[in-house]
Amino acid sequence: SQTIHQWPATLVQPVGSPLSLECTVEGTSNPNLYWYRQAAGRGLQLLFYSVGIGQISSEVPQNLSASRPQDRQFILSSKKLLLSDSGFYLCAWSAQGSTEAFFGQGTRLTVV
Amino acid sequence: AQSVAQPEDQVNVAEGNPLTVKCTYSVSGNPYLFWYVQYPNRGLQFLLKYITGDNLVKGSYGFEAEFNKSQTSFHLKKPSALVSDSALYFCAVRDIGSGYSTLTFGKGTMLLVSP
Repeated sequence: SQTIHQWPATLVQPVGSPLSLECTVEGTSNPNLYWYRQAAGRGLQLLFYSVGIGQISSEVPQNLSASRPQDRQFILSSKKLLLSDSGFYLCAWSAQGSTEAFFGQGTRLTVV
Repeated sequence: AQSVAQPEDQVNVAEGNPLTVKCTYSVSGNPYLFWYVQYPNRGLQFLLKYITGDNLVKGSYGFEAEFNKSQTSFHLKKPSALVSDSALYFCAVRDIGSGYSTLTFGKGTMLLVSP
């Protein structure tokens, strides 16, 4: 069966520090991969999605970037965190040609 | 563009009573519709989906949803609520016809079931 791993679960970082959140999927190949952010207002905002290695689409211009160095690995990064980057970050995957997406457990990021 | 509206920030229901969480959508083509549930500090869990066929779809934990094309709605329902159903519920849509490959979520509805 397929599983998705996301880490760390919680992270407290100072303003101006770099960020790296990692997500990996097991049990499938060539998945679509997604990063979402959930702010305090609860809504889910799609940040990036990828349909293959090295293929990244950005939905919202911001202080973050994403990379997909391997088929089942998706990384969310920032060179310098802002206070406004605080939130709950969710990685998700879906099979090619499939419909629903499946989510990781999320990372609670607090920028102080 | 595709969009989802969940008009209620919160729904309160007593345990044992039926519950409904509302969702309406907007797409240019045919919709794929989904419901997810989120417990505190956890990821989203898939509940059910509508792709085609029967307008009433059944999902996990006794939940079901009814697709209504004329009203562009996909309301989540359960005949008898449990306290453990208390959580944040998200409706989502994907417009396959446009070739857009991502899900668009509503802002979520908090369901509170009282004992």
